[in-house]
Amino acid sequence: EVQLLEFGGGFVQPGGSLRLSCAASGFSFSSCAMTWVRQAPGKGLEWVSSISGDGGTTYYADSVKGRFTISRDSSKNMLYLQMNSLRADDTAIYYCAKAPSGSHRSVDYWGQGTLVTASS
Amino acid sequence: NFMLTQPHSVSESPGETITISCTRSSGNIASNFVQWYQQRPGSSPTTVIYEDHQRPSGVPDRFSGSIDSSSNSASLTISGLKTEDEAQYYCQSYDSGNWVFGGGTKLTVL
Repeated sequence: EVQLLEFGGGFVQPGGSLRLSCAASGFSFSSCAMTWVRQAPGKGLEWVSSISGDGGTTYYADSVKGRFTISRDSSKNMLYLQMNSLRADDTAIYYCAKAPSGSHRSVDYWGQGTLVTASS
Repeated sequence: NFMLTQPHSVSESPGETITISCTRSSGNIASNFVQWYQQRPGSSPTTVIYEDHQRPSGVPDRFSGSIDSSSNSASLTISGLKTEDEAQYYCQSYDSGNWVFGGGTKLTVL
C-alpha cells in the first residue's frame, strides 16, 4: 500500500525558514518523480515543485523559485522541501504526491498534508 | 501559459450520470495529459483519473476521463452517482515546465 506522510509544518514569522519532509513507502521510490502541491485556506490547488526519480532534475513554480528547494534521499525514501524567505502568502497546507512513473507531469497518490502558517 | 476553465458547480441526483468539463484556453488539449483530482471536504486530494483516462488502483470504473480536441477540453464523467461522490474536482495539465490547475468544480449529489 502506498503511504506518504508529511511532517515539519508549523508556525513561522515572515522571512523565516521551514523544512518539510515526506516519508514514502509501499512503492519503488527511486523510480517515481515526486511533487509538492499546496492549498491556501479556502482556495484551490497550486503546484509548488517537482523532482525527477533520480533527483537530477527539479522544477519550480515561479512563485517559489529562488526561495524553495526540493530534494530527495532515496536511501531513506524521503522527500524534502526547504522553504526560505517565507511570506504570508505561502501559508497553506502542503501535500506530497507521487507520480505514476518517472514523469513529473502528474501524480497518482497524495499524502495527508502538513500546515504551514507564515504570520507575524 | 494557458488556463484551464471548469464550471464553478454542478449538481445531479444519485444514480444519474454527470460530466464535468475542463477547457484549455490556448494550445492543444491533447498535447499534454490531463488529470482529475477529487477533494472531499476536510480531506486531502485523491487522484481519480491520470494521463487522460487512467484510473489508479481502487478508483471505481464509474469514473472515466476523456479528451475532445474539437472543443479543446477534457471531461470527467461519473456514472451511477453516489452521495460519497460529493466533492470538489480539479483538472490539471502541464506545459513548459509548469503544472496548471483548473479552478475546481463543486459537485453536489442531491
